[in-house]
Amino acid sequence: DIVMTQSPDSLAVSLGERATISCKSSQTVLYSPNNKNYLAWYQQKPGLPPKLLFYWASTRESGVPDRFSGSGSGTDFSLTISSLQAEDVAVYYCQQYYSIPLTFGGGTKVEI
Amino acid sequence: EVQLVESGGGLVQPGGSLRLSCAASGFTFNTYWMHWVRQAPGKGLVWVSRINPDGNTADYADSVKGRFTISRDNARNTLYLQMNTLRAEDAAVYYCARGHRNNPNWFDPWGQGTLVIVSS
Repeated sequence: DIVMTQSPDSLAVSLGERATISCKSSQTVLYSPNNKNYLAWYQQKPGLPPKLLFYWASTRESGVPDRFSGSGSGTDFSLTISSLQAEDVAVYYCQQYYSIPLTFGGGTKVEI
Repeated sequence: EVQLVESGGGLVQPGGSLRLSCAASGFTFNTYWMHWVRQAPGKGLVWVSRINPDGNTADYADSVKGRFTISRDNARNTLYLQMNTLRAEDAAVYYCARGHRNNPNWFDPWGQGTLVIVSS
């Protein structure tokens, strides 16, 4: 199984400041034949189901504000919020879809 | 509007059974992979199972293999999860989620979830 490790577990960021979350996979999720990273990011606000933010590591889902960005390749990935807004308070999860079983990182809680 | 509405959760004794349902609407159900993902209270997300559009191929997490069965009724636009021999560690909110149109193995959207409590 591919183990996904996120860091930090939580972080507090001032409004308007940058927040960066790391996600590392225990083996590559880069599929060489198509040069795509099989990694997604989700945002989960309290009491709500997760919402897709990114797929292919850096492709923003429609409607996601451009202050959010995804980057990385192979085994090291990051999610950045360039200017934190109050509505961004949530837990963020990475997920690999390179192989079954599909696995998630443990989550990173972002607070103000 | 795409909607996924889970039902069937509740309190069950250890060793008992429960069947969850997920009613889908707003999209062509029989063309998408579907998944179950669970989340224990205060914990992270754990993928449980997936099923292909035709309903003849399924995969499971090791933790539920042999105890849970995923199925679908495309005529009723409904996804199911039959859960047998339930354990305390199966207690969680169970979400159904649709595989994405570009790849079946990321999830968009998710239902609101249904809570399963396993306790005597």
